[in-house]
Amino acid sequence: AQSVTQLGSHVSVSEGALVLLRCNYSSSVPPYLFWYVQYPNQGLQLLLKYTSAATLVKGINGFEAEFKKSETSFHLTKPSAHMSDAAEYFCAVSEEKYGNKLVFGAGTILRVKS
Amino acid sequence: DTGVSQDPRHKITKRGQNVTFRCDPISEHNRLYWYRQTLGQGPEFLTYFQNEAQLEKSRLLSDRFSAERPKGSFSTLEIQRTEQGDSAMYLCASSLVSGNYGYTFGSGTRLTVV
Repeated sequence: AQSVTQLGSHVSVSEGALVLLRCNYSSSVPPYLFWYVQYPNQGLQLLLKYTSAATLVKGINGFEAEFKKSETSFHLTKPSAHMSDAAEYFCAVSEEKYGNKLVFGAGTILRVKS
Repeated sequence: DTGVSQDPRHKITKRGQNVTFRCDPISEHNRLYWYRQTLGQGPEFLTYFQNEAQLEKSRLLSDRFSAERPKGSFSTLEIQRTEQGDSAMYLCASSLVSGNYGYTFGSGTRLTVV
């Protein structure tokens, strides 16, 4: 069965500092991995996805994530945080054999301090 | 292409009443998914359709829940005899069959049962 663990329900960084949001997954086959962002009272927006091509994936708004099979991790990073990055971030995994339904982590709320 | 549209955005209902939500997916997407998100949690899978066929239902989808997708276009999610525990954000998403492109989510319907 697939599962996702996001370490840290809340992360606080200063504006301009490195953002690191952690995600570990469990999957029986090579997975598809995703990061989504959710702003208050809105749906989820896709930031980036890993689909078994390059292990370093670049997404929108300057975010990137690296797939590390040996660590079963897919951590999200951004070199320099902006105030507009404050939101909730969800890591998710899917497998073709399960109809590509997504299994989400519990989410990490990112706070950016000025 | 206006993305995935959900209606209504907000619904307040009394316990025991029936409610119905609508989702209009991206027109060329043949897969449609419903998820439920409660406060502080990631979205949880409820059900999905490929064209008009409902291919899987989660155990979360009790007998009071029913979903349809007539003619493989829009979808409806009905909850009968609502309970306070049904209060949540109901998210709809659509994708192509090859879901490794990731989903497009709608803005969700927030249900409050009083």
